[in-house]
Amino acid sequence: GAGVSQSPSNKVTEKGKDVELRCDPISGHTALYWYRQSLGQGLEFLIYFQGNSAPDKSGLPSDRFSAERTGGSVSTLTIQRTQQEDSAVYLCASSGQGLSNQPQHFGDGTRLSIL
Amino acid sequence: KQEVTQIPAALSVPEGENLVLNCSFTDSAIYNLQWFRQDPGKGLTSLLLIQSSQREQTSGRLNASLDKSSGRSTLYIAASQPGDSATYLCAVTWGETSGSRLTFGEGTQLTVNP
Repeated sequence: GAGVSQSPSNKVTEKGKDVELRCDPISGHTALYWYRQSLGQGLEFLIYFQGNSAPDKSGLPSDRFSAERTGGSVSTLTIQRTQQEDSAVYLCASSGQGLSNQPQHFGDGTRLSIL
Repeated sequence: KQEVTQIPAALSVPEGENLVLNCSFTDSAIYNLQWFRQDPGKGLTSLLLIQSSQREQTSGRLNASLDKSSGRSTLYIAASQPGDSATYLCAVTWGETSGSRLTFGEGTQLTVNP
């Protein structure tokens, strides 16, 4: 597709369950980012992948959060043993390169609700 | 601490008015600054990206300026239209000290009244 694609668009789950969120970046983009947007916290960086380099995981809020990027393309963000404070919109972005002057392009996000 | 602040938090104007949104940032050693638009329930749409070596960027009715020394950027919207109603977000990349992650302001919610 032409843009960043995220699935599912909405996810409702019970506290304690694991969830997986998927991101399909723009074809050819080597950099991929995950951000979280929640009320009261604004938009926060979670994790960044650039090519074959080790990811920058410094924004992940706890060890319940993990992400991987297979084949340098699709990425999955996994949240284990979900808590109510994990409720937020999870946004994925990609850009042509990492530290460059190319803009980051965002998907429409996954709205996660933890009951 | 590297932070981005946007004022005002909300702004309501009549159609046709020219307006300015403000963004300020701590630590003037930025790599670039990006302005986004977010419509309700949607992701972010990139509007303008200003490199650290640039003073301004223009796209249609939008003009973004950057003053690194004072830690400020403005987004100027000319002849506003109801379709401009959205939340506008400013985001900074500091590069060397924090990689290529974006640090966002809280946004300005703009309403343009017909």
